[in-house]
Amino acid sequence: GAVVSQHPSWVICKSGTSVKIECRSLDFQATTMFWYRQFPKQSLMLMATSNEGSKATYEQGVEKDKFLINHASLTLSTLTVTSAHPEDSSFYICSARDLQDLWDEQYFGPGTRLTVT
Amino acid sequence: AQTVTQSQPEMSVQEAETVTLSCTYDTSESNYYLFWYKQPPSRQMILVIRQEAYKQQNATENRFSVNFQKAAKSFSLKISDSQLGDTAMYFCAFMKQANAGGTSYGKLTFGQGTILTVHP
Repeated sequence: GAVVSQHPSWVICKSGTSVKIECRSLDFQATTMFWYRQFPKQSLMLMATSNEGSKATYEQGVEKDKFLINHASLTLSTLTVTSAHPEDSSFYICSARDLQDLWDEQYFGPGTRLTVT
Repeated sequence: AQTVTQSQPEMSVQEAETVTLSCTYDTSESNYYLFWYKQPPSRQMILVIRQEAYKQQNATENRFSVNFQKAAKSFSLKISDSQLGDTAMYFCAFMKQANAGGTSYGKLTFGQGTILTVHP
């Protein structure tokens, strides 16, 4: 089955620093990847849609300059949280669509827990 | 814009019994998909079942089945013979079907989630 990985799985950083989260499709090509944010016991909120070779599309209310998304290849998208603050602490999940998948299914990564101190 | 509503924040069921999770949605789209995802304590999202809106037949996957009422915009999930491993947060989700030039293709809209606990 299609596998999506995220790295790191857990990161702690100091306030004011930047942190990069990677999302990789391991056994398929993904033109589109999605980034979600999830607080404990809450739903997934879509932050942005990442398309290979083009600029990401951000959802309303998401700061583009704070959450930088780069989709450099068909298997890798990165989310960089710039100048992180404690309120950015959250669980970040990516998902990817398989180019060849006729079922429009999204495959989810295992998530990254970000803690900003 | 689409909305998905799960009105049951928490549910519990005894092992081997049956439980139904509710979901309603609102959309003006004609062609779409509906999903139920499971998020266990590991937080890995797992697809449980999907339904194409154009199909009248309710989808089933082993112990999981849905009751899809398109006119009522209702999409409930029934779990039969509940197992301890079914303990998780369950999300109902909507996705618009692709169309030419569409910009929202592939975007999932999630409900608030229902925490299901299966008791031994």
